[in-house]
Amino acid sequence: GAVVSQHPSWVICKSGTSVKIECRSLDFQATTMFWYRQFPKQSLMLMATSNEGSKATYEQGVEKDKFLINHASLTLSTLTVTSAHPEDSSFYICSASWGKTQPQHFGDGTRLSIL
Amino acid sequence: AQSVTQPDIHITVSEGASLELRCNYSYGATPYLFWYVQSPGQGLQLLLKYFSGDTLVQGIKGFEAEFKRSQSSFNLRKPSVHWSDAAEYFCAVGLISNFGNEKLTFGTGTRLTIIP
Repeated sequence: GAVVSQHPSWVICKSGTSVKIECRSLDFQATTMFWYRQFPKQSLMLMATSNEGSKATYEQGVEKDKFLINHASLTLSTLTVTSAHPEDSSFYICSASWGKTQPQHFGDGTRLSIL
Repeated sequence: AQSVTQPDIHITVSEGASLELRCNYSYGATPYLFWYVQSPGQGLQLLLKYFSGDTLVQGIKGFEAEFKRSQSSFNLRKPSVHWSDAAEYFCAVGLISNFGNEKLTFGTGTRLTIIP
């Protein structure tokens, strides 16, 4: 149980385009979803936290207009990287949780490469 | 603010040998503590968690961790490693977010290599 699916797993696109990443909880209702960014050989850095139907809370230093997060339902959250540039290239990972004190369950990540 | 330190960037262990990965945390209250494992190019899998109660926590894949408040540590152990244990291991401390869920702060990770 507690499966989180992330799509796509790998995307390459040109600089200036927008890219959408989906995060789905397949067998539970995720009241909260989290988006992380991981640079090569580094740890995960939390970008934002979102609750279904509410605006996301962004961490300090994360541009909310660049990284648009939508948590439209209890099983789906999306991260859109707008006007992506090479410096946005990274590994993006989502996680989902169904309640207070419940652990986060992670997707397999999306490798984003901007040319 | 909470922080997590994993002093060992890379550890190499022989298959069948015991393992201990170190984790120290800094947090003002009783923390929620986690160990996750990440295989290359993949997401994270939860090995075990500590919320309260028994300070020795059993997890999946034969791992265990011990919470020591006096040392602010939560070290991960396994009595006998297998080649499939080679991966990156992350310790994390949880802070209750505005939404009531844990907001995780991760350590920098320890890469585990297993040699025959």
